[in-house]
Order: sequence, then structure tokens, then C-alpha cells
Amino acid sequence: QVTLRESGPALVKPTQTLTLTCTFSGFSLSTSGMCVSWIRQPPGKALEWLALIDWDADKYYSTSLKTRLTISKDTSKNQVVLTMTNMDPVDTARYYCARSLSYYSGVDVWGQGTTVTVS
Amino acid sequence: QSVLTQPPSVSGAPGQRVTISCTGSSSNIGAAYDVHWYQQLPGTAPKLLIYGNNNRPSGVPDRFSGSKSGTSASLAITGLQAEDEADYYCQSYDSSLGGSVFGGGTKLTVL
Repeated sequence: QVTLRESGPALVKPTQTLTLTCTFSGFSLSTSGMCVSWIRQPPGKALEWLALIDWDADKYYSTSLKTRLTISKDTSKNQVVLTMTNMDPVDTARYYCARSLSYYSGVDVWGQGTTVTVS
Repeated sequence: QSVLTQPPSVSGAPGQRVTISCTGSSSNIGAAYDVHWYQQLPGTAPKLLIYGNNNRPSGVPDRFSGSKSGTSASLAITGLQAEDEADYYCQSYDSSLGGSVFGGGTKLTVL
């Protein structure tokens, strides 16, 4: 069974750096094609794709947030980490990590998400 | 303003058929990148409903179907049921942005 679980602070102050960890099981991020993304959803608003890391450690970022985001993986720990610098109240959202089987495929498994409030 | 445009809301009576559109451009849907659809029930994480334009993951009823033409895609739901009331999102890849993009979401109300 494939599962993903997000963890990190529930509250951060403006200008601080947010670090979120996605711990997954049921698949290996070293398997060819495998990808893990971060996606967020502000309260009452739409989904927004943030970043993706693939099995080969290639990284892709949202153009609008590229300068603030860093995604990395620790294959041995089955973890993917996202850092977002210079947090602002508009970054208040539920943050999801999710798996896809290739870069262009849909996200087939989502974590439950973690809510981050910037205040 | 989302790169992929969806109607904010649609509605239908139980048993009816509804469609949700997703309009993109030549750098995403029109560039032949696949479209995927998600259903998000209130207070839950999104769930993959349609992948690769018109494929259903195991367990998704065949009442849900997807199609794509030109720079647009559509999600159709037939035999509408109360439990279909949710938010629906389309997703694709955009070559100009170099990443994935979501639609603004459509709230489906079952009357």
C-alpha cells in the first residue's frame, strides 16, 4: 500500500523559512519514472503545484515561486523535503505531498496534507 | 488567474449528466500534454479521477469519463449522485512554465 505523510510546523512567522518533510512508504523513489510533488491549497482556493523531484533527482519548480523553493530527497529514508524561504501570510495553506508514476502523469496517491499558517 | 480555466460552479439533479470544461492553450492542453482530473470531497485530499485524458483508475465508477480536443478537455459525470458533490480540478503540464498546472476548480452541486 502506497502512503505519504507530510510533517512540519503548523505555525511559522513572516520572513521565516518553512521546512516540510514527506515520508512515504510502499514505493521507492529510486524506481525509474517515479516522482514526488508538493502541492498546496490556500483556504477556500484552488490547488497550486509547487515542485517535483524525480527518481533521478531532477528537480522542477513553479516559475512564480522558484526563487524561494528547494526540494530534495533522501532515498534511504524514503523522504522528500521542501523548503520555502521568506514566508508570508499569503503562503498560509494546506500543503500536500503526492506521488506520480512519471513527470507528465497524474498524481495517483496524495498525502493527507498539513496545514501551515503564517502569522 | 489559473492557467487552465474551469467554470467556478456547475449543478445538476440526481440522475442527470453534467460536464465540466477545462480550457487551456497551445503551451499545455493544445501541445498534446495529458489532462488529469481530481475529485476533492469536503475536508479531504484530492483523489485521482481521470488520468491521461480519458482513463479511470481502478475503483472509479464508469459514470466518470474524460475527453480532450484541441486546447480544451472535459469531465463528464452521468447518473449524478449526491456523493458526487465535490470540487473538481483539471491538471496538465505547461511547456512555457516548465511545470504542472491546475485549473481553478469547479464546485459541483447536486440539487
